[in-house]
Amino acid sequence: DAGVIQSPRHEVTEMGQEVTLRCKPISGHDYLFWYRQTMMRGLELLIYFNNNVPIDDSGMPEDRFSAKMPNASFSTLKIQPSEPRDSAVYFCASRQTGGSRFFGSGTQLSVL
Amino acid sequence: TQLLEQSPQFLSIQEGENLTVYCNSSSVFSSLQWYRQEPGEGPVLLVTVVTGGEVKKLKRLTFQFGDARKDSSLHITAAQPGDTGLYLCARSQGGSEKLVFGKGTKLTVNP
Repeated sequence: DAGVIQSPRHEVTEMGQEVTLRCKPISGHDYLFWYRQTMMRGLELLIYFNNNVPIDDSGMPEDRFSAKMPNASFSTLKIQPSEPRDSAVYFCASRQTGGSRFFGSGTQLSVL
Repeated sequence: TQLLEQSPQFLSIQEGENLTVYCNSSSVFSSLQWYRQEPGEGPVLLVTVVTGGEVKKLKRLTFQFGDARKDSSLHITAAQPGDTGLYLCARSQGGSEKLVFGKGTKLTVNP
């Protein structure tokens, strides 16, 4: 298996623009997680899905952030409008019930 | 949110040296996970410890869970440059899927 696949690896955008991050979980995994990592706050959970249904989005910083999982093999995290303070590395992870989390390589987002 | 404190924040050593990094909490946790994150990559799970006093070994890495289940340590023997990375500890919050991570110890092993 190729592991959790995220795209793009790097994104540079200007303040106010819409940003969409993409994730393909490992086939057969029924949990999907979105995390954000910064030097100041470390690794924080934003939202997670179980069987494509959002279970807990309490970590989503504000209404500018939204996440979807239209099917078992694809999820998106959207920021609209983006702000400089959103600059961070965004990770997607997946796991099977009872199994370990596997993380993707992340998307490095820079908002200028 | 129950915080995890990791120390030291940064550690730079020479190849062949031994080291220990720590993960502490003010509250009891049911289990604790250790991850290693290499530059430009996501965290990779190394081990999960569950029982107070438990010791697990993974080649040159020794993980210990405190008797009171409020702290854990990771000891590396004869460190190698390939051990370089960010070491993160994490605990589940309230038995949910919400893993709370410490900020990590950034280890550099110089050849």
